[in-house]
Amino acid sequence: GENVEQHPSTLSVQEGDSAVIKCTYSDSASNYFPWYKQELGKRPQLIIDIRSNVGEKKDQRIAVTLNKTAKHFSLHITETQPEDSAVYFCAASKRSNYQLIWGAGTKLIIKP
Amino acid sequence: EAGVVQSPRYKIIEKKQPVAFWCNPISGHNTLYWYRQNLGQGPELLIRYENEEAVDDSQLPKDRFSAERLKGVDSTLKIQPAELGDSAVYLCASSLGGEQFFGPGTRLTVL
Repeated sequence: GENVEQHPSTLSVQEGDSAVIKCTYSDSASNYFPWYKQELGKRPQLIIDIRSNVGEKKDQRIAVTLNKTAKHFSLHITETQPEDSAVYFCAASKRSNYQLIWGAGTKLIIKP
Repeated sequence: EAGVVQSPRYKIIEKKQPVAFWCNPISGHNTLYWYRQNLGQGPELLIRYENEEAVDDSQLPKDRFSAERLKGVDSTLKIQPAELGDSAVYLCASSLGGEQFFGPGTRLTVL
């Protein structure tokens, strides 16, 4: 079955700097890769997703890149702000409404 | 548009007691998911419904867990009897062929 590994487990960056979180997946049949943000005690919320027919997707300060050959995808946050502090989860699935296999999460800390 | 609704938000029970969680998905969403999230980990799928049919329940511990989605709308997840290791947040999510929207979750504590 699918396995998703996520690194780092904790990331601390200075406010205004960029943050990068990386994930690898094992099942080459996976073709949907969402990223969720979860603030403490709250529900996961989708911030960006990418499908395997696209190599990069951007939404304001957030971008996701996908390398299908290497089976890894990354989340990039530029100009980080205090409200970016949260746990970020990557996930992989064969379809968007199928079971999501989640990474272990990255706790992002934005230092003022 | 109302989001996914779950109740109760918190539940504390003693081990061996039964417990039930309720979920009302976003109107029109045909796919409903129940996830379990342990502290410091990502959500783990327990069961997925397409309308009223359970299409993926391979990770549901069927000896103590049961779920139903009558009429393809609301869903309940039951644990009987609960064990200490069941303490977690139980998340319900729904989708309509795309993004999965999550409810606020039910935090279960088993003493």
